[in-house]
Amino acid sequence: KAGVTQTPRYLIKTRGQQVTLSCSPISGHRSVSWYQQTPGQGLQFLFEYFSETQRNKGNFPGRFSGRQFSNSRSEMNVSTLELGDSALYLCASSLDGSLAGPDTQYFGPGTRLTVL
Amino acid sequence: AQTVTQSQPEMSVQEAETVTLSCTYDTSESDYYLFWYKQPPSRQMILVIRQEAYKQQNATENRFSVNFQKAAKSFSLKISDSQLGDAAMYFCAYRRAGNAGKSTFGDGTTLTVKP
Repeated sequence: KAGVTQTPRYLIKTRGQQVTLSCSPISGHRSVSWYQQTPGQGLQFLFEYFSETQRNKGNFPGRFSGRQFSNSRSEMNVSTLELGDSALYLCASSLDGSLAGPDTQYFGPGTRLTVL
Repeated sequence: AQTVTQSQPEMSVQEAETVTLSCTYDTSESDYYLFWYKQPPSRQMILVIRQEAYKQQNATENRFSVNFQKAAKSFSLKISDSQLGDAAMYFCAYRRAGNAGKSTFGDGTTLTVKP
C-alpha cells in the first residue's frame, strides 16, 4: 500500500505570494492532519479534516486554510506569505480519526517551503 | 492545555548499547494515547511505538520498549542493541482520546549512535 504523499517536496516563494500544498493520504484513510515544523516552534498542529469537514483547528492565523476532497486528498493554502512561514509542512493521515481508538497517524515526507 | 516535555535535547549511545529517552506530559485527561516517532535526516516521520493510557502493560516493538508511568505522567523510550540506523530525532507525542487528528509533540531528542 502506498504511503502518504505530498507535493511538491520543495517550494520557494516570495513574501506576499500565496501557496498551495497537496497531500494524498494512504488509501482508505479518511482523516488528514497538517502540521508545521520549524526549528524554533517545533511541530505545531494546523488543522484536521475528516469527510471533507474541518474537525479540529490549531492556533494559526486565518491566512492558513485547508480543504479536503471527496477522495480524502487534502490541500492547504497559505496566503500573503511571511518570512516566518518558512517551514517543513507535514501531512498525516489516519484510518478514520476514530474517536474511540488510538488511530495512529502516518506521516508524509513533507513539503519544505522557503519564503524569501 | 496539554504539554509534552522532552528534557534531553541530545543523547548519544555506543552501537549495541542501550539508551533511554525521557518524556513527560501534562494532562488532566484519563483517556489518551502516547506515541514515539522517529525522524531521520530524510525528514520522514516514522512511528516507533504507541501506548494506550488504559493499558497497564508497557508496549514493546522489537528493540524498542517504553516505560509508561501514568501516575507520574512519564513515558520513556528504551532502545536496546542500538544500531547506526537508529540515529535520528525522536519525538514524543500525546493525543487525547476523542481529539482525533490532533497530536501534541515534544521538542524532540536528537540521538547520535557512535560506531
